[in-house]
Amino acid sequence: QSVLTQPPSVSAAPGQKVTISCSGSGSNIGNNYVSWYQQLPGTAPQLLIYDNNKRPSGIPDRFSGSKSGTSATLGITGLQTGDEADYYCGTWDSSLSAGIFGGGTKLTVL
Amino acid sequence: EVQLVESGGGLIQPGGSLRVSCVVSGFTVSSNYMSWVRQAPGKGLEWVSVLYRGGDTYYADSVKGRFTISRDNSKNTLFLQMNSLRAEDTAVYYCARGLVATVWGFDYWGRGTLVTVSS
Repeated sequence: QSVLTQPPSVSAAPGQKVTISCSGSGSNIGNNYVSWYQQLPGTAPQLLIYDNNKRPSGIPDRFSGSKSGTSATLGITGLQTGDEADYYCGTWDSSLSAGIFGGGTKLTVL
Repeated sequence: EVQLVESGGGLIQPGGSLRVSCVVSGFTVSSNYMSWVRQAPGKGLEWVSVLYRGGDTYYADSVKGRFTISRDNSKNTLFLQMNSLRAEDTAVYYCARGLVATVWGFDYWGRGTLVTVSS
């Protein structure tokens, strides 16, 4: 069981918006930056968001991130079928002195 | 162009040892923090270890005392030495580059190398 809790799956129609939550604690999300990754089937993860809400160059602004207290959220607007993937949140846990990932959320674009 | 290429995976018996490598290009392996992340078949991502620029290392509890992360600056290569391997270590092992602009975030990943621990 992951230290960070994500919903196993979310779904929405093309063009719609979806949010994916990531819940942690004070030793991880509460006091450290959160990053988000997209993993398309059969490929390596790709960085979508870092420092809670910053996008690397090349990542469209349809993807956004936010953090409040011990939870973080990834938002995706204008859903496309190509967005179907697994999404992971990640951060550092200061108590564990270890990196951690959420269990992952499978996005289905209906 | 930044590239990370893992190698060294394969089939190994329980209790055995294996060293996986990650050759990087387009940057210097010592200029960024670097991590290993693994993914068991059909499962999620699991962080394994990090090596900071200054040489500090950290490990997941599941591998502490068995795995060692290191780098060879002359070869621009990151390593993960894995000892006392168990069936639950079976996974694709990815190396990932830490994003300099932040304390935690990985902007480039290799394609991974599969390690299978089985008799």
